[in-house]
This record gives sequence, C-alpha cells and structure tokens, in this order.
Amino acid sequence: QQPVQSPQAVILREGEDAVINCSSSKALYSVHWYRQKHGEAPVFLMILLKGGEQKGHDKISASFNEKKQQSSLYLTASQLSYSGTYFCGTEEDAGGTSYGKLTFGQGTILTVHP
Amino acid sequence: KAGVTQTPRYLIKTRGQQVTLSCSPISGHRSVSWYQQTPGQGLQFLFEYFSETQRNKGNFPGRFSGRQFSNSRSEMNVSTLELGDSALYLCASSWGSGSYTGELFFGEGSRLTVL
Repeated sequence: QQPVQSPQAVILREGEDAVINCSSSKALYSVHWYRQKHGEAPVFLMILLKGGEQKGHDKISASFNEKKQQSSLYLTASQLSYSGTYFCGTEEDAGGTSYGKLTFGQGTILTVHP
Repeated sequence: KAGVTQTPRYLIKTRGQQVTLSCSPISGHRSVSWYQQTPGQGLQFLFEYFSETQRNKGNFPGRFSGRQFSNSRSEMNVSTLELGDSALYLCASSWGSGSYTGELFFGEGSRLTVL
C-alpha cells in the first residue's frame, strides 16, 4: 500500500516556504525523498531513518514521526530550481529484508514562480 | 563518475511482442532496482538485484522478469506485451550493503510504448 502525499500540488512565489507531507499505514524503517523534474530522472534529496538518523543535502530539511509513520519535507525560501515533482518513498520495517524496495507516494507537484 | 545508463531510451513495440531493457549501474554499485512509472500508478517497484540474486520483488505478473550479471549490469524482460505495459522504466543503482536502502541513483529511463 503506497504512502499518501499531501498536498497533491502547490504553487509558490520565489522566497516562499512549503511543506510536503507523507503518511504511511505501515511500520517504517526509512523514508526517502526524491525530486523529479519533467523528463529527467528522480534525484535523491534525503533519507530519514528509524531512530532519528538523517542523511541528505544540506539545504533540505525534513522530519520523521516514527509513532505516526509520517514524514514532512520542508522547503524554505524557495527558488525557481525547486520546481518539480516530489516523491516520498517508504521502506518497511521488515528486519532488513526490504532492501531496495521503496514504495513511492503519488507525488506532489511544486511550481515556483518568479 | 559516470551515472546510471539505460538502453534503449525509447522503443515502440506491438502487443504480444517481448522487450529487453538494459541498465548499467554506477561503478562499484552492486544493487540494481527497477521501477515502472506511469501517470496513473506513479512509481512502482518491480524487483531488486544484488550480486546476481533477486532480493525483492514487487507485485507484477510473471511476464516481468529480470537478471543481473557478474559485472552488476542488469536487464529486465517483459514478455507478451500488453497496452498497459506502456510506461517509463527506471533503473536505480546503489551500494546495496547495509541494513537499509541507501541513496538510489536513477537512470533517465527507457520509455516503452506498446501499440
């Protein structure tokens, strides 16, 4: 069952902030965030692990609420280059046997205008 | 270093035919995952290979198969193509070790159109 992302789309002006949410009904080991621009491959943004560890790009921030199986991606002071579709991918907490198997949400389309 | 390379980038097939897609991972990466991307279903996991062994498989029919070679290159095959198989097929590579899925490096995909 795929995670649910909200909102489905968001429009910003440069400099504005946005939050994208990802919610799963499964117990998770990790949450991943990727951005995909039109016609391009998805690009890694961040991993948030059960237990609190995070790895990702310095300018990206996110949170993972393990009790609620929810994650949020925070985009601050948006730039034109932030435009694209943001996907969260979840990895179930299955004792390390779910390696490589990410279940992606439907995506959130972010558009940043000048 | 070179990224993930997928070939062919575009292909058109007719119903009933079969297709083979190829993926060359980043040098040193031993894990290759395959995903199907469609407007309606989004990104769906097909399978993952590590050191020539399939470690995980998604919920796709048996017409979808894959393999990985000793140099970590991977191929996926779809037999008896259906119209619904039209999609962008993405390959992603990663180191493959550790207790969790690390950063995935995606290729640009192979866009399959089934007529």
